[in-house]
Amino acid sequence: KAGVTQTPRYLIKTRGQQVTLSCSPISGHRSVSWYQQTPGQGLQFLFEYFSETQRNKGNFPGRFSGRQFSNSRSEMNVSTLELGDSALYLCASSVLWGANYGYTFGSGTRLTVV
Amino acid sequence: AQTVTQSQPEMSVQEAETVTLSCTYDTSESDYYLFWYKQPPSRQMILVIRQEAYKQQNATENRFSVNFQKAAKSFSLKISDSQLGDAAMYFCAYRSAQNTDKLIFGTGTRLQVFP
Repeated sequence: KAGVTQTPRYLIKTRGQQVTLSCSPISGHRSVSWYQQTPGQGLQFLFEYFSETQRNKGNFPGRFSGRQFSNSRSEMNVSTLELGDSALYLCASSVLWGANYGYTFGSGTRLTVV
Repeated sequence: AQTVTQSQPEMSVQEAETVTLSCTYDTSESDYYLFWYKQPPSRQMILVIRQEAYKQQNATENRFSVNFQKAAKSFSLKISDSQLGDAAMYFCAYRSAQNTDKLIFGTGTRLQVFP
């Protein structure tokens, strides 16, 4: 059974550009959540999706957005990149949203903004 | 708002010995879940153990066990018979039982295991 797949693994972008990151959950998992991990701020919740609907969003500016498709795959987009957006972006999937199931994380996308 | 605190940035242990990682949290909720995740250099977060707040019995998974003290809002992780492969960052996390998958993480503890 394939795990959570995040693509790409590494990305280098220039300030002002935009970027799209992808997360394919485990087959059968319908809930996807995203986290930003930086040395300074640690792991911070970005948003969570279930049934193509955003259920919650963390305290991030509007430049951070996401969506979920009917096959449960999710993308997040960051527009007008800033140096501070350099981070490891992790996604996690679960069978159902808000239920007592475990979460499986992907290996993340390392974004570097120069 | 809920918070999770890990007061030990780094810990070290000798192979085969036992080590305990500390975690405290703050919440006004009575129903929630607590987790310990391990993040090796491969970056993937791996679930070590989880505890439902309504269960009084401490969770155990092989060499890993927790000491869950609900009144004190404490959730420590004990690793017995430490192995070299246990070396990693360990994160304590909280999740409300109310309509969310959002995990609130502590700042992590880096565990080194010496042969």
